[in-house]
Amino acid sequence: AQKITQTQPGMFVQEKEAVTLDCTYDTSDQSYGLFWYKQPSSGEMIFLIYQGSYDEQNATEGRYSLNFQKARKSANLVISASQLGDSAMYFCAMREAMNSGGYQKVTFGIGTKLQVIP
Amino acid sequence: DAGVIQSPRHEVTEMGQEVTLRCKPISGHNSLFWYRQTMMRGLELLIYFNNNVPIDDSGMPEDRFSAKMPNASFSTLKIQPSEPRDSAVYFCASSERDRGLRAKNIQYFGAGTRLSVL
Repeated sequence: AQKITQTQPGMFVQEKEAVTLDCTYDTSDQSYGLFWYKQPSSGEMIFLIYQGSYDEQNATEGRYSLNFQKARKSANLVISASQLGDSAMYFCAMREAMNSGGYQKVTFGIGTKLQVIP
Repeated sequence: DAGVIQSPRHEVTEMGQEVTLRCKPISGHNSLFWYRQTMMRGLELLIYFNNNVPIDDSGMPEDRFSAKMPNASFSTLKIQPSEPRDSAVYFCASSERDRGLRAKNIQYFGAGTRLSVL
């Protein structure tokens, strides 16, 4: 089974509108971390936001928020007031422990391409 | 602060040639990761170093690939001999010392090296 599932290959959003990018994950660990990264056309991977499995409140970073629903194993990214510069690929990722020694491996989803329309 | 620095940004080589990719992690970071990104397979972890020691190299495709981290500020990924199927974007990422499952341990990525093997 895939660890991270992003079911939306592409999304369109009107400038200044909000958009939600979906992410579901699969783990049997109690302690894990969830991340979102942005990859613009220039190619770099930019960290956006982090949610720990024990965090009771949803993470927020400026216009980015993470809608964390632990029971449903979903970690959707919400971008408010979309801007043209938000057009990019967005990757959801999960970190979980790989062994009792604490090594934590991060697995990435296949990404969602967001295009912001003027 | 300088981020993760990778060189070269672009590399074009012919099949059979040796290719060396370089990475300078963020100062003070103890963990270093090499990833490969392709359209077909997405972002894959190749190898993970902690305190300059390789911890997980299960993602290294085959013996043609090797990685070293001679000191805390430098790592190389070498492909010898290179093949057309190695064409991809190779990312280096670093994170702070692993502080346990409840810590963020955010991975910060370099700009990547786009490798084309003809």
